[in-house]
Amino acid sequence: GAVVSQHPSRVICKSGTSVKIECRSLDFQATTMFWYRQFPKKSLMLMATSNEGSKATYEQGVEKDKFLINHASLTLSTLTVTSAHPEDSSFYICSARDMGVHNEQFFGPGTRLTVL
Amino acid sequence: GQQLNQSPQSMFIQEGEDVSMNCTSSSIFNTWLWYKQDPGEGPVLLIALYKAGELTSNGRLTAQFGITRKDSFLNISASIPSDVGIYFCAGPGSNDYKLSFGAGTTVTVRA
Repeated sequence: GAVVSQHPSRVICKSGTSVKIECRSLDFQATTMFWYRQFPKKSLMLMATSNEGSKATYEQGVEKDKFLINHASLTLSTLTVTSAHPEDSSFYICSARDMGVHNEQFFGPGTRLTVL
Repeated sequence: GQQLNQSPQSMFIQEGEDVSMNCTSSSIFNTWLWYKQDPGEGPVLLIALYKAGELTSNGRLTAQFGITRKDSFLNISASIPSDVGIYFCAGPGSNDYKLSFGAGTTVTVRA
């Protein structure tokens, strides 16, 4: 149980295009999901908290118009990187909070974004 | 989020050796979580601790929640090659569910 999936696992796009990443909780409902960014050999950096049915809350320094988050159902949150540039290239990871298990967070496998 | 100090930053060990790493915080945590991340993958939850003083095992892994609630350690006994990876400690803030992460401990096992 407590499986989180992400799609796609890898994406390469041209500068200026937008990329959508999906995060799904497969066997539990998640009113709260989180989006992280991870640079090579670094720890996870929280970007935003995705709340089902309401607006996401962003961490300081994260542009909400750049990283659009939608949490339309209890099992799906999406992150759209708009007008991507090479500096947006990174490993993006989502997690979902399972309210039934001590509020533990379970992570997706990550999405490697490369912007050319 | 709150600052977690994790050490050591990296370690090279012989197969069969025991591994120990720890995390400390300047503030009290109510939950300590230990994750392992393999290259190109998301973190996987290894052990979750909920009570001060709690000692929990998961196979060859043992973790403890410090009595002061400001620290935790993770031990790996009799390491094997598949123990290679980055281990992170993490804990949620007191008023929300956002996790603060340690900087990670990179473990490399020599066969």
